[in-house]
Amino acid sequence: GQSLEQPSEVTAVEGAIVQINCTYQTSGFYGLSWYQQHDGGAPTFLSYNALDGLEETGRFSSFLSRSDSYGYLLLQELQMKDSASYFCATPIDKDQAGTALIFGKGTTLSVSS
Amino acid sequence: DAGVTQSPTHLIKTRGQHVTLRCSPISGHKSVSWYQQVLGQGPQFIFQYYEKEERGRGNFPDRFSARQFPNYSSELNVNALLLGDSALYLCASSHTDTAYEQYFGPGTRLTVT
Repeated sequence: GQSLEQPSEVTAVEGAIVQINCTYQTSGFYGLSWYQQHDGGAPTFLSYNALDGLEETGRFSSFLSRSDSYGYLLLQELQMKDSASYFCATPIDKDQAGTALIFGKGTTLSVSS
Repeated sequence: DAGVTQSPTHLIKTRGQHVTLRCSPISGHKSVSWYQQVLGQGPQFIFQYYEKEERGRGNFPDRFSARQFPNYSSELNVNALLLGDSALYLCASSHTDTAYEQYFGPGTRLTVT
């Protein structure tokens, strides 16, 4: 079976840095993705780590350590618009042409002024 | 380019009825996945199709079925609706070889009374 664990809630203030952790247990592992979902909206893709290390995309970075079965999403220079739910997700199998994702339960980030 | 589209956006049904949800992927995407998302949880995988073939099925009862058409659009059918089927149903499409990056439609909000 596969499962991904994330904290349920995180709070921070504008301009701060926040880290959202994700630990996973999978029978096979094919990389870790991160998605953002605003209230009433659809999930949107943020980043993907296939290998260990840090991937940076603007204010957002994502890290993966396969030996620790652990990853995190780092959000810098927080803005009010970053208030949303964040999900880690992993492909179910290695067939990238034909696989869906398993999602964690999500972390609700609240940014205050 | 148009994103993933889904219809209808909202639907109210009575227990025991049947429902059909529709999805059109992004042009050029041959992979379509269906997810169920209940409030406060991450999307849960229902079905995945690639090139009109079912490639994966999540842990859902046989009341749930789906298909993909030659133009890569897809339908999700749910028979004998239960109150617990009330949820947001999301469709996602992806490029071949990049299943980790899925593009989600706005979803269909199904309410079963």
